[in-house]
Amino acid sequence: DAGITQSPRHKVTETGTPVTLRCHQTENHRYMYWYRQDPGHGLRLIHYSYGVKDTDKGEVSDGYSVSRSKTEDFLLTLESATSSQTSVYFCAISGGDFPGGTDTQYFGPGTRLTVL
Amino acid sequence: GNSVTQMEGPVTLSEEAFLTINCTYTATGYPSLFWYVQYPGEGLQLLLKATKADDKGSNKGFEATYRKETTSFHLEKGSVQVSDSAVYFCALTLANAGGTSYGKLTFGQGTILTVHP
Repeated sequence: DAGITQSPRHKVTETGTPVTLRCHQTENHRYMYWYRQDPGHGLRLIHYSYGVKDTDKGEVSDGYSVSRSKTEDFLLTLESATSSQTSVYFCAISGGDFPGGTDTQYFGPGTRLTVL
Repeated sequence: GNSVTQMEGPVTLSEEAFLTINCTYTATGYPSLFWYVQYPGEGLQLLLKATKADDKGSNKGFEATYRKETTSFHLEKGSVQVSDSAVYFCALTLANAGGTSYGKLTFGQGTILTVHP
């Protein structure tokens, strides 16, 4: 199994509070991703990173920010949590043999976030 | 934009039954196609993939063939087991010459499979 951990694994918070989720990898992979999983929507990309300090928005980035100050850590911050951000959040990593090829994404165990 | 559509679930089968989960896609460029599986309480794991038209991906008795003419990547297994009960996701990524896809995955909505003894 790829070495990916997420913390916390479960969190309950209140509307309006900031929340930071952490993804940590031990694989030295260049690419990291944050997805959210919601019933009927599958997984949707929030933000991704293609290197230290290099990040970009995904499909559902509103209300979220990210930071990557070192290869192994990718942080996802909900600036002011809302009930619509109640979800399961997954981090993924990839070594990346693109352009021209594809590589497997390895997923972390997920963080279940509830915003009351 | 890119999109993936999976057959509606949930799917309930008896052990040893034949499984098909349909997946169709819309994409610009030349996508690579994936099936991921999520067992209860766990993250996603790659089940199989195909990177070009007519490729067949296979793993653990599951198969899927990349059909460009029908834009499909249907998942099949000849004889399911109780341990195959999980959520299955079809996904695509674009591998274009410019390399700007960064491996981003577009997922279908997932299909819940339950297999009874």
